Amino acid sequence: DTGVSQDPRHKITKRGQNVTFRCDPISEHNRLYWYRQTLGQGPEFLTYFQNEAQLEKSRLLSDRFSAERPKGSFSTLEIQRTEQGDSAMYLCASSLQAFQETQYFGPGTRLLVL
Amino acid sequence: DQQVKQNSPSLSVQEGRISILNCDYTNSMFDYFLWYKKYPAEGPTFLISISSIKDKNEDGRFTVFLNKSAKHLSLHIVPSQPGDSAVYFCAASERDNYGQNFVFGPGTRLSVLP
Repeated sequence: DTGVSQDPRHKITKRGQNVTFRCDPISEHNRLYWYRQTLGQGPEFLTYFQNEAQLEKSRLLSDRFSAERPKGSFSTLEIQRTEQGDSAMYLCASSLQAFQETQYFGPGTRLLVL
Repeated sequence: DQQVKQNSPSLSVQEGRISILNCDYTNSMFDYFLWYKKYPAEGPTFLISISSIKDKNEDGRFTVFLNKSAKHLSLHIVPSQPGDSAVYFCAASERDNYGQNFVFGPGTRLSVLP
C-alpha cells in the first residue's frame, strides 16, 4: 500500500496528557498537510509543510500544538496538555507540488480526550 | 464565516437515478475546486476536480459543473449505485504566496437506496 498512512488510528487520553501522531505521506510527495475534522464539519486546515519547511499555520493551531517534518518525509503532530475540545479526527494529506494539485488523505487518527 | 457551503446535510436517491450534490462558495478568489468522498472510519478520497477556466469536467459516472457567476458547483452521479453511499465534501482552493489553501464544506451525506 503506497498511500498516506497515519499512526495510531485511535487514541484515548486523559485531559492534560500529551499526545503525538505520525503521518507518512506518499513517498514522492513534497507537500504535507494536517487537518482537523469534528462531527458534522469538513476538514479544517491546521498546518502545511513543503519538504521540511513549515510554511503556513492556521489560527486554529494554538501554542499547545506543534508539528514537525524533520527530514521532509514523515511528520508528527504533538498536542500538549490536551483538552476535551481537542477531541476530533486528525487527518494528514500529501500532494506533489503543482499549479493545481490534488491532496491525498490518510485514514486519520481519532482522538478522544476524557 | 463559512466560505464553502453545502446546504443539504443529507440526500437520498434511488439506485440507478441521478444524484446531484450542490456546493456554494463566497470567495471569488477560489480558482480550483474538488470533490472528495468519505466512508466511515476512512480518510476522504479524491473524486474529481475542476479548474475555474472550465465549466464542466467529466470522469465516468461523475460530472462536476461550475457556474462562476453564481459561485456554485454541483456534482452529478449517474447512475447512482449503493456503493456511492458516503459523505461528499466540496473543497475550494486559492493560490497564496506559498501554494494552495484548501477550504472544505461541511459535507452532504448521500444514501443510495437499492
